[in-house]
Amino acid sequence: DSGVTQTPKHLITATGQRVTLRCSPRSGDLSVYWYQQSLDQGLQFLIQYYNGEERAKGNILERFSAQQFPDLHSELNLSSLELGDSALYFCASTTTGGAGGYTFGSGTRLTVV
Amino acid sequence: GEDVEQSLFLSVREGDSSVINCTYTDSSSTYLYWYKQEPGAGLQLLTYIFSNMDMKQDQRLTVLLNKKDKHLSLRIADTQTGDSAIYFCAESIRSNDYKLSFGAGTTVTVRA
Repeated sequence: DSGVTQTPKHLITATGQRVTLRCSPRSGDLSVYWYQQSLDQGLQFLIQYYNGEERAKGNILERFSAQQFPDLHSELNLSSLELGDSALYFCASTTTGGAGGYTFGSGTRLTVV
Repeated sequence: GEDVEQSLFLSVREGDSSVINCTYTDSSSTYLYWYKQEPGAGLQLLTYIFSNMDMKQDQRLTVLLNKKDKHLSLRIADTQTGDSAIYFCAESIRSNDYKLSFGAGTTVTVRA
């Protein structure tokens, strides 16, 4: 157990639907990062939050959004889902600075049918 | 910019040493990392090296950094079947808030 908790582990949904992925960071970590892992794109950085505020954006689609709550858990919202959104979505957390690397959760596998 | 490249596959016999190679392009990289991903699991941080170091050893793992050639390698001694996984090289830069940029991953298969 890495200390980063992601739920659900698996999600199957239809095209056009909306889903919410949840992440609880490791205790004491203020930064949360979301990554998408797909076969053709590899690991892509989506977005970062630090202590409740958006810190950086990567290759995140406009249909996707995220937020970090006062208790530091984060949610990634994916809407108007397309088949190509099927992927593993990882959350990672780190202490301030992040120089020691991130701690990853075990991911949510999203399948859009 | 950030661009990390790795070879995609490596097959090694059990008991031999594995060497996984990685090249990066951003000379201002601050930290370089090796992550391991087993099937169905998340990414596990194996080790990392600060960019002013040449080598780091941690039990069976040895990381070598050649800053001139922007080349990073991970050597796994006495490779075991449990070492079969995808290994990702990643870099982070302080000026980019230590955001990780990953390579495509090297799939290591350990054969008996």
